[in-house]
Amino acid sequence: QVQLQESGPGLVQPSGTLSLKCTVSRGSIDKEYWWSWVRQPPGKGLEWIGEINHIGRTNYSPSLKSRAAISVSKAVKEISLNLTSVTPADTAVYYCARIVGSTGGFDPWGQGILVTVSS
Amino acid sequence: DIHMTQSPSTLSASVGDRVTITCRASQNINIWLAWYQQKPGKAPKLLISKASLLEDGVPSRFSGTGSGTDFTLTISSLQPDDLGTYYCQQYNNLRTFGQGTKVEIK
Repeated sequence: QVQLQESGPGLVQPSGTLSLKCTVSRGSIDKEYWWSWVRQPPGKGLEWIGEINHIGRTNYSPSLKSRAAISVSKAVKEISLNLTSVTPADTAVYYCARIVGSTGGFDPWGQGILVTVSS
Repeated sequence: DIHMTQSPSTLSASVGDRVTITCRASQNINIWLAWYQQKPGKAPKLLISKASLLEDGVPSRFSGTGSGTDFTLTISSLQPDDLGTYYCQQYNNLRTFGQGTKVEIK
């Protein structure tokens, strides 16, 4: 059963760059899967950030496209998220998830990581 | 952008009740809709994909219907373990989540 684990700094300075990694274990990253990032501000709903496939093709939410960059490293089985020019509004739990190729749903998800933007 | 609207925002029901959550898309998304359950402090869990396809291991009291712009998630007999927030998600064009429906047990 594939497992996902997010990692990265829990605190980022305003105007800085948020950088997170999602490590894939017990499964392959070198297949025709897509991998996605989703975030959830405290007490609020889910927001899709973007996605990437195993050969690096990406799609992004229009609202975050100018600041988000997702990349994949098959060698270390990691999917990375960089979000630039962050503000306190970017404070959220960030999740990575695999997109099921046959049906399109997100499964499994990582446990999530809380990132706070504050000075 | 495709906008997803869920209703109600919150519902309170008794154990054994039939519960229905609706999700409306701002444009035709065919059957490209998923439903998720999120319990407090946990990651969302995929329940249904392609509008009506129940994921392995999900209890049969959950069902999904709809196509085009109007969709429903039904819990046929609400159980205590079903409390949480439910989200719909379209994936016809990029991906968008609904704002969520919080289910409480009376």
